Amino acid sequence: SAVISQKPSRDICQRGTSLTIQCQVDSQVTMMFWYRQQPGQSLTLIATANQGSEATYESGFVIDKFPISRPNLTFSTLTVSNMSPEDSSIYLCSGGQNNEKLFFGSGTQLSVL
Amino acid sequence: RKEVEQDPGPFNVPEGATVAFNCTYSNSASQSFFWYRQDCRKEPKLLMSVYSSGNEDGRFTAQLNRASQYISLLIRDSKLSDSATYLCVVNDGYGGSQGNLIFGKGTKLSVKP
Repeated sequence: SAVISQKPSRDICQRGTSLTIQCQVDSQVTMMFWYRQQPGQSLTLIATANQGSEATYESGFVIDKFPISRPNLTFSTLTVSNMSPEDSSIYLCSGGQNNEKLFFGSGTQLSVL
Repeated sequence: RKEVEQDPGPFNVPEGATVAFNCTYSNSASQSFFWYRQDCRKEPKLLMSVYSSGNEDGRFTAQLNRASQYISLLIRDSKLSDSATYLCVVNDGYGGSQGNLIFGKGTKLSVKP
């Protein structure tokens, strides 16, 4: 198993600003992912965070809006850039030795005014 | 887009009851299936994998029917602590070398005294 520390747990941001979310894993993991969850909705995969290279984004998500870093096997960041109210959501990082049995961070609840 | 469909519930059951959740998936090429549990305002956590032969873990039994593209979760002798949202999750086999997890919207269970 792995323990993932995610911060901040919540934030309220102004339109047009950016927020960087960090995730630290207590052990090396092969895979790390970033998800978004709207209230009452399922988790939507934003991107796969690749160690030492550019993230792989899903349809509807782009690097300019959601830049991701993964400098090593235990750490990743997601930035939500130029925020608008539509970006208000819960953002979750996850990791695991494969992409199936994932462990999740506790989430970041983002509200954009 | 490949989908995972679940009855959202809520399922309101008394302690000790047996309750079953169903899930259907659209991608016949999917190979891996899971149930995750998500408590209110918490991150998802893996409950159990779902194997073709079915599998049981204490009070929880998961079944897979590939022909009907149908997954089920049975909870026996429900406890108050079982109250949560249960997420059906399918590896869609697309995206990178290991595929991506597709999450259902979840089925909410409320166990009452």
